[in-house]
Amino acid sequence: AQSVSQHNHHVILSEAASLELGCNYSYGGTVNLFWYVQYPGQHLQLLLKYFSGDPLVKGIKGFEAEFIKSKFSFNLRKPSVQWSDTAEYFCAVSYNTDKLIFGTGTRLQVFP
Amino acid sequence: EPEVTQTPSHQVTQMGQEVILRCVPISNHLYFYWYRQILGQKVEFLVSFYNNEISEKSEIFDDQFSVERPDGSNFTLKIRSTKLEDSAMYFCASSEPGDLYNEQFFGPGTRLTVL
Repeated sequence: AQSVSQHNHHVILSEAASLELGCNYSYGGTVNLFWYVQYPGQHLQLLLKYFSGDPLVKGIKGFEAEFIKSKFSFNLRKPSVQWSDTAEYFCAVSYNTDKLIFGTGTRLQVFP
Repeated sequence: EPEVTQTPSHQVTQMGQEVILRCVPISNHLYFYWYRQILGQKVEFLVSFYNNEISEKSEIFDDQFSVERPDGSNFTLKIRSTKLEDSAMYFCASSEPGDLYNEQFFGPGTRLTVL
């Protein structure tokens, strides 16, 4: 079955720490990969996406993600987090349709 | 900046009642979606809608559910006879024409509570 796993459910960091959130998806042929973020009280919004080409994708607010096909992974990274990055982060995949399959989300708390 | 809006923000209903959740997608968008998130669980796809018909639907989207674009601006999700397990946050999303994989813009959600 098509599925997405996010291994970190809750991550707590201090400002300036580096961040890496894991995302793995089940094999299903061609995939499109996304990271969405939901800041407290706000809508889900797109951080970055990968369709093809350079497997290292840069998104908004200094985030990046790397698609590693052999590991079925699309991990999200940021070298130095800020308090304003406190939010819930969702990895999502689509397999040849526009239907998004989401992971369970990772709650990130950043302390000053 | 254009946004997807949803009303109401919170709907409480009795089991067996019909509910209609409303969404106003971004005005030039042509692809529309409903997702839901039961408390503590994943965001799940329900249905996609394009050119006045359903493009794809999930197993969750059974005969109790229907969608409609009654006019040029609204996109609705109807649940005919609500069950306790329909309690969830329902998100509407829309994307612009062109690439099938264009970014989906999400609304703030409607929290549905079935008693």
